[in-house]
Amino acid sequence: QVQLQESGPGLVKPSETLSLTCTVSGGSISSYYWSWIRQPAGKGLEWIGRIYTSGSTNYNPSLKSRVTMSVDTSKNQFSLKLSSVTAADTAVYYCARGAWNDFIFDYWGQGTLVTVSS
Amino acid sequence: DIQMTQSPSSVSASVGDRVTITCRASQGISSWLAWYQQKPGKAPKLLIYAASSLQSGVPSRFSGSGSGTDFTLTISSLQPEDFATYYCQQANSFPQTFGQGTKVEIK
Repeated sequence: QVQLQESGPGLVKPSETLSLTCTVSGGSISSYYWSWIRQPAGKGLEWIGRIYTSGSTNYNPSLKSRVTMSVDTSKNQFSLKLSSVTAADTAVYYCARGAWNDFIFDYWGQGTLVTVSS
Repeated sequence: DIQMTQSPSSVSASVGDRVTITCRASQGISSWLAWYQQKPGKAPKLLIYAASSLQSGVPSRFSGSGSGTDFTLTISSLQPEDFATYYCQQANSFPQTFGQGTKVEIK
């Protein structure tokens, strides 16, 4: 059974960079698309972007200027960096695996709350 | 971006009721649609993809239909574990977008 686990600081200061890592266990990270999705408290879901195991990326245009994703296949991990954060970036961040046409998500991490505050 | 609009925003229902949730896309997306269930404090769970294909392990009381711009998720006989928020998601083009959610509450 594939499992995903997000890790990283739960508190980030405004204007700094949010950094999260997702560790995949129970299966190989290879040959899949891996996404980050976030959800502000009490609100809906926003897709941030995805990375393939080759390193190819696609980002949401609304966040593209601030997002960088990377993958480390030797560690079965992929990562998210979001720069110049503000309070509007406070959310639960999920990592997820692409499925079917690679545009939907069949396995999700439990989510990690990141709060942007000084 | 393709906008996804769900209705209703919330629905109150009893165990055993038939519940239908609708999702409308701002432009045609063929059958490139998925449905998720989310319980409080948990990650979303994939229920249906390709508008009507049931994800492995999902009970058969869940079904999906539609194509183009209009889609529905139906729960044929609501069970206690089905009280949750449901989201549709278009899988047609970047960026993938979700509906605002429909909360199914106990009547």
